Amino acid sequence: SQTIHQWPATLVQPVGSPLSLECTVEGTSNPNLYWYRQAAGRGLQLLFYSVGIGQISSEVPQNLSASRPQDRQFILSSKKLLLSDSGFYLCAWSTLLKGYTEAFFGQGTRLTVV
Amino acid sequence: GENVEQHPSTLSVQEGDSAVIKCTYSDSASNYFPWYKQELGKRPQLIIDIRSNVGEKKDQRIAVTLNKTAKHFSLHITETQPEDSAVYFCAASKKDSNYQLIWGAGTKLIIKP
Repeated sequence: SQTIHQWPATLVQPVGSPLSLECTVEGTSNPNLYWYRQAAGRGLQLLFYSVGIGQISSEVPQNLSASRPQDRQFILSSKKLLLSDSGFYLCAWSTLLKGYTEAFFGQGTRLTVV
Repeated sequence: GENVEQHPSTLSVQEGDSAVIKCTYSDSASNYFPWYKQELGKRPQLIIDIRSNVGEKKDQRIAVTLNKTAKHFSLHITETQPEDSAVYFCAASKKDSNYQLIWGAGTKLIIKP
């Protein structure tokens, strides 16, 4: 069966510090991978998505970046965090199944920038 | 591109009553419409979905209806229970966009005891 691992679960970082969140998927190959951010009580904001190794599409201009060094690994990074980067970050994967796609989410990382 | 609007943003119903959440989409080529439930502090999880060749789908107390002509779909929860309290998201996708899900803004459902 397929599983998705996202870590860490919580993170408190000072303004200006770097960020690295990692997500890995098991049990599937060539998945579509996504990074979402969710502000408190708000909806899902798509940050990045990837359809393959080294292929990253950015949906929102910001000081975050994403990389996909391996087929089932997706990394969200920042060189210098801002207060506004605080939020709940969710990694997700999807793959075509019978002509439609279901998204599976990681447990999420609650990031607080102080 | 596709746009999905979801209403209401907050819905409060008495325990035992029914709840209805509605979504509209803009792209008539969309053909897959899932609903996700997100409990407080947890990840969203798929609860029910419907494809464009079906008008209605039921799974115990939850059902989804799709009106392709009007381009809207709805989630119906009957006999609501406290554990139904959560944020619900609708989404739409189509083949041409690599099946990328376009999300509604979410509805916070509150079940009053």
